[in-house]
Amino acid sequence: AQRVTQPEKLLSVFKGAPVELKCNYSYSGSPELFWYVQYSRQRLQLLLRHISRESIKGFTADLNKGETSFHLKKPFAQEEDSAMYYCVVMDDKIIFGKGTRLHILP
Amino acid sequence: DAGITQSPRYKITETGRQVTLMCHQTWSHSYMFWYRQDLGHGLRLIYYSAAADITDKGEVPDGYVVSRSKTENFPLTLESATRSQTSVYFCASSELGTGVYEQYFGPGTRLTVT
Repeated sequence: AQRVTQPEKLLSVFKGAPVELKCNYSYSGSPELFWYVQYSRQRLQLLLRHISRESIKGFTADLNKGETSFHLKKPFAQEEDSAMYYCVVMDDKIIFGKGTRLHILP
Repeated sequence: DAGITQSPRYKITETGRQVTLMCHQTWSHSYMFWYRQDLGHGLRLIYYSAAADITDKGEVPDGYVVSRSKTENFPLTLESATRSQTSVYFCASSELGTGVYEQYFGPGTRLTVT
């Protein structure tokens, strides 16, 4: 079955510490992978997409096809990073992970 | 205002009633989507539309009906609301397909079925 797994519901990290939000997927074919973010009182929005290989707000995500993972990383957490993060897989289907709430501790 | 809007933002209805959630976008995006967000499930796709008069089922379509007579509007109707349909509903649009293109989300509608 096609699925996206974000194993952590909540991740608390101290400001300045590295952040890694895990995402594993099980999907046939060659889907596109994304990270979407929802900050408090804001709309869900695209953070980054695999195909662009970009760094947005200091976040990067590397696709590991062997491990079928697409973990989101940032070397130094900032308080404004506190939000809900969703890993998303898209092909002919669209599958959202259940989300990880990232809480940055001062 | 340009963008994607949803109405109403909050709705309380009774079991068995019909309720329609509206979604409107001003970008002339081809694709539009309806999701529901529930604790423990993340977002799940209900229906999507590739163009006017073209709609397709998503992961959880049962109990919902959609239409798309105009490109800019994509209403979602619950024909006979049930308590299990209490959720936050998000509409989204995308310029083109479901592949690499960014989806732009509306602010959400919180629906409570009593």
